[in-house]
Amino acid sequence: KQEVTQIPAALSVPEGENLVLNCSFTDSAIYNLQWFRQDPGKGLTSLLLIQSSQREQTSGRLNASLDKSSGRSTLYIAASQPGDSATYLCAADAGKSTFGDGTTLTVKP
Amino acid sequence: GAVVSQHPSRVICKSGTSVKIECRSLDFQATTMFWYRQFPKQSLMLMATSNEGSKATYEQGVEKDKFLINHASLTLSTLTVTSAHPEDSSFYICSVRNLDTQYFGPGTRLTVL
Repeated sequence: KQEVTQIPAALSVPEGENLVLNCSFTDSAIYNLQWFRQDPGKGLTSLLLIQSSQREQTSGRLNASLDKSSGRSTLYIAASQPGDSATYLCAADAGKSTFGDGTTLTVKP
Repeated sequence: GAVVSQHPSRVICKSGTSVKIECRSLDFQATTMFWYRQFPKQSLMLMATSNEGSKATYEQGVEKDKFLINHASLTLSTLTVTSAHPEDSSFYICSVRNLDTQYFGPGTRLTVL
């Protein structure tokens, strides 16, 4: 059974800092790894999708990497802003998506 | 990609009533849809896999008689919470599979009084 772990559970940084969120999964036979953002009381916003054949994806200040063999993915956020404050979820898709518990990010002005 | 809608976006009901949530795949015919549930401050947990024209496959611990899933067409799956109770209050999200990617709906927030 796939298990997905996200570290840290919570993170508070001053505005402007670069930061890394970590996601690990136990079953490396995945189709893809997806990163989402969720604001309080809201649904999921897909940020980046990395197919199993890819190593990384970039969108603006966000960069996600995938190392399937080691069961790890990272989400790098450059020059963080208060508007980046949210919960970030990763999901490993091996036929059905399994989510981690998320990292709650607070970016202080 | 795929565009997924859910209706309603928010519902409040009295304890003991049944609530139906619709999930539609707007631009893609989905043979497989998924239903997730998210309790406050927790992550999403898969409830069941909905297959068009056949019975849904429920995850361990999910009561199939309480959470009725109907995937009657390639664009519509419904989740009915029967005899809802306050502990069923949650955020319900559906998703569809298009090739090797899942696309998620906006979610339905259910509050049972």
